[in-house]
Amino acid sequence: AQKVTQAQTEISVVEKEDVTLDCVYETRDTTYYLFWYKQPPSGELVFLIRRNSFDEQNEISGRYSWNFQKSTSSFNFTITASQVVDSAVYFCALSEMYSGYALNFGKGTSLLVTP
Amino acid sequence: NAGVMQNPRHLVRRRGQEARLRCSPMKGHSHVYWYRQLPEEGLKFMVYLQKENIIDESGMPKERFSAEFPKEGPSILRIQQVVRGDSAAYFCASSQTSGGLEETQYFGPGTRLLVL
Repeated sequence: AQKVTQAQTEISVVEKEDVTLDCVYETRDTTYYLFWYKQPPSGELVFLIRRNSFDEQNEISGRYSWNFQKSTSSFNFTITASQVVDSAVYFCALSEMYSGYALNFGKGTSLLVTP
Repeated sequence: NAGVMQNPRHLVRRRGQEARLRCSPMKGHSHVYWYRQLPEEGLKFMVYLQKENIIDESGMPKERFSAEFPKEGPSILRIQQVVRGDSAAYFCASSQTSGGLEETQYFGPGTRLLVL
């Protein structure tokens, strides 16, 4: 069963629009960590954020913000005033005791920002 | 460049050949993870190693695949007798300490393996 679901396969927006990437996770653990990674067209994976299950405060970093809601098992990622350089595939991932050392990745959301 | 390094970036092999993928962790990191990314899929965990030890290989195919992380030198992911289904991007990640839940894994640029 998929532990991390990113229902949006592809999103296309025009520059300066806000966009939210959804991530829903499933775990039996009470202690777990959630991550977002960015994979630009060049192919490398870039770490964006880590959040633990006990910290539900939203986080903002520049144009990026994250909304963590345990009640709905979601960890959504919003890009404000999107730019062409934001075009990438974005992956949400879960780290839980049940899965050992593995990061469980969603299938990713491909974001295309056009001028 | 203090990031995770992988080489080669691209590797082409014919069916039946061997593929060797190398990974040097970030400076100060002694924990290495290998993941495989099939087309239009997320990354799937393969193996977690510390120096000279395989800690978790629950995601490794039972045959033809092996991994090592020697005392000196990079970690190696070895695929023997490659088949077309092995074509994928292989990513290495490293972390600083124990590989616990909270550890952030930093990824390398990946090796794109194409089997003809």
